[in-house]
Amino acid sequence: AQSVSQHNHHVILSEAASLELGCNYSYGGTVNLFWYVQYPGQHLQLLLKYFSGDPLVKGIKGFEAEFIKSKFSFNLRKPSVQWSDTAEYFCAVIPPTGTASKLTFGTGTRLQVTL
Amino acid sequence: DTEVTQTPKHLVMGMTNKKSLKCEQHMGHRAMYWYKQKAKKPPELMFVYSYEKLSINESVPSRFSPECPNSSLLNLHLHALQPEDSALYLCASSPGERFQRTEGRGYTFGSGTRLTVV
Repeated sequence: AQSVSQHNHHVILSEAASLELGCNYSYGGTVNLFWYVQYPGQHLQLLLKYFSGDPLVKGIKGFEAEFIKSKFSFNLRKPSVQWSDTAEYFCAVIPPTGTASKLTFGTGTRLQVTL
Repeated sequence: DTEVTQTPKHLVMGMTNKKSLKCEQHMGHRAMYWYKQKAKKPPELMFVYSYEKLSINESVPSRFSPECPNSSLLNLHLHALQPEDSALYLCASSPGERFQRTEGRGYTFGSGTRLTVV
């Protein structure tokens, strides 16, 4: 089945460490790609999105993601994490145009940043 | 105004009650969505309205009944729910298919209604 995969379920990092969270999707064609963050007890916030153009996307709070079409990947990165980045991170995909608009989420990665 | 507003923020209801969740956006978006999120799980799509018409129903039980009175409002009517329906219910909106080339189909989510069925 077509899907979105996040292989890192729980990541623990020390402050100032670099972060990379993996996201792979299995849809063919042109997709829209997103990373959302959900801080404890809060709602989903959009970190960044890709739908065309430069495959390196910069988002809020110092996050960036790179779309690699040949690898069907859209990994999230941050050079130096902060304690306040502790949250759940969701990768999400909207399948190609022509398919009903349906944002599909990965299972999420829980990031815990220690002091 | 770039927000999706959901009311109420919290709701406790009995299994015989009838209640409604409300969602409002004034961004001119023409697609609106209901998602259900259980603890430590990703949001799961329930319904999609596109240009005020129901376009997707993800096999949701009939005790959940969506309604889209106009392009800015989305309701979710609840009746005879079960305790396992307790979850965070999220509303979202997006520009709609016609704007996909210029804006992408980015969704804006509301803060959610935390529903507890007792």
